[in-house]
Amino acid sequence: DVKVTQSSRYLVKRTGEKVFLECVQDMDHENMFWYRQDPGLGLRLIYFSYDVKMKEKGDIPEGYSVSREKKERFSLILESASTNQTSMYLCASSSGGETQYFGPGTRLLVL
Amino acid sequence: DQQVKQNSPSLSVQEGRISILNCDYTNSMFDYFLWYKKYPAEGPTFLISISSIKDKNEDGRFTVFLNKSAKHLSLHIVPSQPGDSAVYFCAASGTSGTYKYIFGTGTRLKVLA
Repeated sequence: DVKVTQSSRYLVKRTGEKVFLECVQDMDHENMFWYRQDPGLGLRLIYFSYDVKMKEKGDIPEGYSVSREKKERFSLILESASTNQTSMYLCASSSGGETQYFGPGTRLLVL
Repeated sequence: DQQVKQNSPSLSVQEGRISILNCDYTNSMFDYFLWYKKYPAEGPTFLISISSIKDKNEDGRFTVFLNKSAKHLSLHIVPSQPGDSAVYFCAASGTSGTYKYIFGTGTRLKVLA
């Protein structure tokens, strides 16, 4: 079974803090994705990566950056957290054009 | 511009009856469609998919229908069970070759016992 894990289930941060969200997958997938889920807006793609050290912007990259130094790990970075980044963050991975598998999510609250 | 739309934010169905969740898309280049199910405080789990070369795919109680001319897909759950209560997202891909999915906004299904 594919396993995608995320470093935290819940996080509370202050405005202006730098926030790191980590995602690890154990299936040697090339592609990894970061989404945020907000009520009424569905899942929106922030960034994705199709190889180590490669990244592409998704639909809402502003205020975020990513890092992929190893194939199994994809990090999402909020350089200076703001209250409008309070959300559920979901990581996913896939191999080629196959189905994306999601982690359990991190619920981030920015105060 | 919402390329994948789920126009019903919520749906209630009696246990044992059929649940029909709908999804519309605007981009005719989409060629692969999926349904995900999401419980609160959990990540989405893959449910069923369909390629544009087919118009129906079935997996147990779940069937997805694709009408390409109408740019419409639907998920049928028969019979519905209380454990099916969740948010259902449809997703589409295939336009860019980068394996990106475009997700709908979700439909919250409540199956009443």
